[in-house]
Amino acid sequence: SSELTQDPAVSVALGQTVRITCQGDSLRSYYASWYQQKPGQAPVVVIYGKNNRPSGIPDRFSGSSSGNTASLTITGAQAEDEADYYCNSRDSRSNRVLFGGGTKVTVL
Amino acid sequence: QVQLQESGPGLVKPSETLSLTCTVSGGSISSYFWSWIRQPPGKGLEWIGYIYYSESTNYNPSLKSRVSISVDTSKNQFSLELRSVTAADTAVYYCARGIGGVFRRYYYYYMDVWGKGTTVTVSS
Repeated sequence: SSELTQDPAVSVALGQTVRITCQGDSLRSYYASWYQQKPGQAPVVVIYGKNNRPSGIPDRFSGSSSGNTASLTITGAQAEDEADYYCNSRDSRSNRVLFGGGTKVTVL
Repeated sequence: QVQLQESGPGLVKPSETLSLTCTVSGGSISSYFWSWIRQPPGKGLEWIGYIYYSESTNYNPSLKSRVSISVDTSKNQFSLELRSVTAADTAVYYCARGIGGVFRRYYYYYMDVWGKGTTVTVSS
């Protein structure tokens, strides 16, 4: 399969840790990138490559991967982290770009 | 600081062609992957396609028969055409810059700069 699968929603208590996962065959050869999208705004990349954060992204965001699963971890979630998160990679055979269905993170 | 700005009609009639342009400022359009992505109301992100190095294109198979992406390097713009639109094509359309490569035998691909998005409604 050349799709990416995410859980639709997850909740986390303020200050606690949450992990969002993304599964797909493409992740055996591609690092996932992760995007945060708040209502009415364009997505913003928060993790790319092995575990790289663009300038301005807090270090509470981190990424990891194993086999066909990539994970985004928010350590010490803040109220402003409440958003939709999408994983992204490419299919290694067709080179087409893939998005996961998105995970809505609610901070309680 | 590279910035992207989408432009085009906000309303398109069914069966007509949706045409959008993305203007790249603060950087060159001569390399990178230049993508179009859309998001129907209340739904997730859907990749439409990209153009790479001004000539190589790749499209989402579900849209491939209706889509064309082109680049005008003289204007630092790239464009999207989506033909024979229906109400299902109503969405926010984003343009984005993609970066790809390889690191430690793993490939990577990510989109580091996005436009703010433009809403396109298909309706008569």
